[in-house]
Amino acid sequence: KQEVTQIPAALSVPEGENLVLNCSFTDSAIYNLQWFRQDPGKGLTSLLLIQSSQREQTSGRLNASLDKSSGRSTLYIAASQPGDSATYLCATRSNSGYALNFGKGTSLLVTP
Amino acid sequence: AAGVIQSPRHLIKEKRETATLKCYPIPRHDTVYWYQQGPGQDPQFLISFYEKMQSDKGSIPDRFSAQQFSDYHSELNMSSLELGDSALYFCASSGQGRTDTQYFGPGTRLTVL
Repeated sequence: KQEVTQIPAALSVPEGENLVLNCSFTDSAIYNLQWFRQDPGKGLTSLLLIQSSQREQTSGRLNASLDKSSGRSTLYIAASQPGDSATYLCATRSNSGYALNFGKGTSLLVTP
Repeated sequence: AAGVIQSPRHLIKEKRETATLKCYPIPRHDTVYWYQQGPGQDPQFLISFYEKMQSDKGSIPDRFSAQQFSDYHSELNMSSLELGDSALYFCASSGQGRTDTQYFGPGTRLTVL
């Protein structure tokens, strides 16, 4: 069964810093990997999706990379802002199924 | 842009009652997914449908059932509710079957008393 791990579990940074969130997974037979943002008690907002054949995806201040062979993905956030404060989840989809397997998330706090 | 719609947004039930959650996918999306997120937990996959047929099944209790209708909306039926069923239930949809980004709805918060 796919195990998805996110480190660190929580992170606090001052506004303006660049930061990296890490995601690792045990089964490299993934179809794609998706990064989400979740605000407390709210739904999941899709940030980026990386297909297994891709190395990275960018959207605005966000850049996600994927190294499938080593079972790792990173989410890079440039010039962080207080509005970026949320929990960030990564999730993998296997080659054979429809389900997303989620990590437990990194809770990010960006202080003014 | 249109998003996934879930109703109701909040639901309070007693133990042993039944509940029905509804999901309306983004227009032209053909695949619907249901996830359960307990307090402080990551979302757990329950079940999915592609073109009105069950496409994948996860940790869905036998007390729960779901289906996708001809207009692509989906319903999750939950019977004999237990305290442990209290959670956020998310529906997601995607186009092009399993290849596309999953877009999540705002969730239904179910509280079982």
